[in-house]
Amino acid sequence: GDSVTQMEGPVTLSEEAFLTINCTYTATGYPSLFWYVQYPGEGLQLLLKATKADDKGSNKGFEATYRKETTSFHLEKGSVQVSDSAVYFCALNNFNKFYFGSGTKLNVKP
Amino acid sequence: NAGVTQTPKFRILKIGQSMTLQCAQDMNHNYMYWYRQDPGMGLKLIYYSVGAGITDKGEVPNGYNVSRSTTEDFPLRLELAAPSQTSVYFCASKAGGPTDTQYFGPGTRLTVL
Repeated sequence: GDSVTQMEGPVTLSEEAFLTINCTYTATGYPSLFWYVQYPGEGLQLLLKATKADDKGSNKGFEATYRKETTSFHLEKGSVQVSDSAVYFCALNNFNKFYFGSGTKLNVKP
Repeated sequence: NAGVTQTPKFRILKIGQSMTLQCAQDMNHNYMYWYRQDPGMGLKLIYYSVGAGITDKGEVPNGYNVSRSTTEDFPLRLELAAPSQTSVYFCASKAGGPTDTQYFGPGTRLTVL
């Protein structure tokens, strides 16, 4: 069945460091791919999405490119801030059912 | 727009008790979902609905029931609460397109003792 695998955390970085969180997926057909962010005590918020191969989603300095050949959707940011500390979830939507990765906690130190 | 709302925010149940988690959305979305999030884990789909009167099971439906009598509301029923149902429950909704985004409610934290 469909599934999402993302790198385990926590990831601890200093402010202004480069961030990569790996995400790979297994799915039939042509899923849409998403990154969601969850701040403590809150629900998930959409960070970015890509709906077809080679699309790049971007928002708030974060980027991810839909790579069908490697079934990947890695999240990157060039310079993280303390306010980026949160849990990040990779997800796919296939036939209107969503599958989520286990989440990666990011801690950014000043 | 209030978006997706959930009540209650917190609840403690005793083993064997029943309760209904409420979820409502005011965006006229066709699709609604219930997830549970266990500590340090991702979200697992419990049930979903593609429209009023239509529901289907997700990955972890055992111990839960749902109904969808209106477009706006999608309550989740726990009949005989068990400690394994201690979790945070999230409701979400989306419009009908295959690439549309899900919008999440703030969650209900449930503890079964």
